[in-house]
Amino acid sequence: AQRVTQPEKLLSVFKGAPVELKCNYSYSGSPELFWYVQYSRQRLQLLLRHISRESIKGFTADLNKGETSFHLKKPFAQEEDSAMYYCALSQYGGATNKLIFGTGTLLAVQP
Amino acid sequence: NAGVTQTPKFRILKIGQSMTLQCAQDMNHNYMYWYRQDPGMGLKLIYYSVGAGITDKGEVPNGYNVSRSTTEDFPLRLELAAPSQTSVYFCASSFPGQDSYEQYFGPGTRLTVT
Repeated sequence: AQRVTQPEKLLSVFKGAPVELKCNYSYSGSPELFWYVQYSRQRLQLLLRHISRESIKGFTADLNKGETSFHLKKPFAQEEDSAMYYCALSQYGGATNKLIFGTGTLLAVQP
Repeated sequence: NAGVTQTPKFRILKIGQSMTLQCAQDMNHNYMYWYRQDPGMGLKLIYYSVGAGITDKGEVPNGYNVSRSTTEDFPLRLELAAPSQTSVYFCASSFPGQDSYEQYFGPGTRLTVT
């Protein structure tokens, strides 16, 4: 079955510390992975997608097919990074772009 | 552009009542989606549509109905509200195609059924 697992409900770090938000997936085909973010009082929005191989707001994520993981990383956390982060999976090349979401991780960056 | 809009923002229903959650987008997106998010859970797909007149079930369609008469609008209907439908509902839209997987979300509707 297709599944996205985010094992941490809450991750609390201090400003300037490295951040790693974990995401593991289960999918039999060729997946496309995403990270979505929801800042306080804002709507859910795309942060990055694995196929773009880009860094957004200092965040990067590498798809590891051997470990079926797509962890989100940032070397130095900022207070404005505090938000809810969702990992999501879609079928690469699929006709409907349906997303399967993880349960989310709340990142709290302390001053 | 307003993007994806949803109304109402909040609603309290009694068991057995019905209501329609409205969703509209002004980005000319073919694809539209309805999700629900229960506390501590991820978003689950209720229904989706790939174009006007075409809808299909997602992961949790029971108790809901949808229609898509125009590209812009994708209302979600609850016929007989039940406490299990207490949730936050999100509408989203996207372009089709291999390079357009980004979904644009509305602000959500918080529904309580008592």
